[in-house]
Amino acid sequence: GAVVSQHPSRVICKSGTSVKIECRSLDFQATTMFWYRQFPKQSLMLMATSNEGSKATYEQGVEKDKFLINHASLTLSTLTVTSAHPEDSSFYICSARDQSGGREAFFGQGTRLTVV
Amino acid sequence: AQSVTQPDIHITVSEGASLELRCNYSYGATPYLFWYVQSPGQGLQLLLKYFSGDTLVQGIKGFEAEFKRSQSSFNLRKPSVHWSDAAEYFCAVGAWTNAGKSTFGDGTTLTVKP
Repeated sequence: GAVVSQHPSRVICKSGTSVKIECRSLDFQATTMFWYRQFPKQSLMLMATSNEGSKATYEQGVEKDKFLINHASLTLSTLTVTSAHPEDSSFYICSARDQSGGREAFFGQGTRLTVV
Repeated sequence: AQSVTQPDIHITVSEGASLELRCNYSYGATPYLFWYVQSPGQGLQLLLKYFSGDTLVQGIKGFEAEFKRSQSSFNLRKPSVHWSDAAEYFCAVGAWTNAGKSTFGDGTTLTVKP
């Protein structure tokens, strides 16, 4: 149980285009999902907390207009990187918390975004 | 705010030797604590977690960790390292008040010598 699926696992896009990353909880419902960013050889930094049916909460320094988060259902959150630039190239990882009261969040396998 | 410090950026051990990776946390109450492992280009795999109770926690792949409140530490140990253990290891702390949200340490890279 507690499987979180991220799609795509890898994506290459041209500079100036937008790309959408999906995070799905496959066998549980998640009112809360989290989006992290990881630069090469660095740690995971929380970008935002995604809440089903409401606006996401962004961490300080994260541009909400650039990283659009939508959590339209109890099993799906999406992160859209708008007008992507090479500096947005990174590893994006989501996690999801079981709404039935779990204390931990379960991680997806991550998405490698390369902007060329 | 919570924070995590992993003092060792890089550790090299010989195969078969014992391993200890250090983790210190800062949090005002009893934390949730996690250790994850990440291979290059891959996602995170949970090794073990501590929420409450027994302070010595057993995990997968022969790993264990001990929560020491007095030292604000949650060090990861393995008695005999295998070459396949070479990877990046992250310690993370979570908050009771915002379950699921984790703050990660900077990670420790483990190299295993044959």
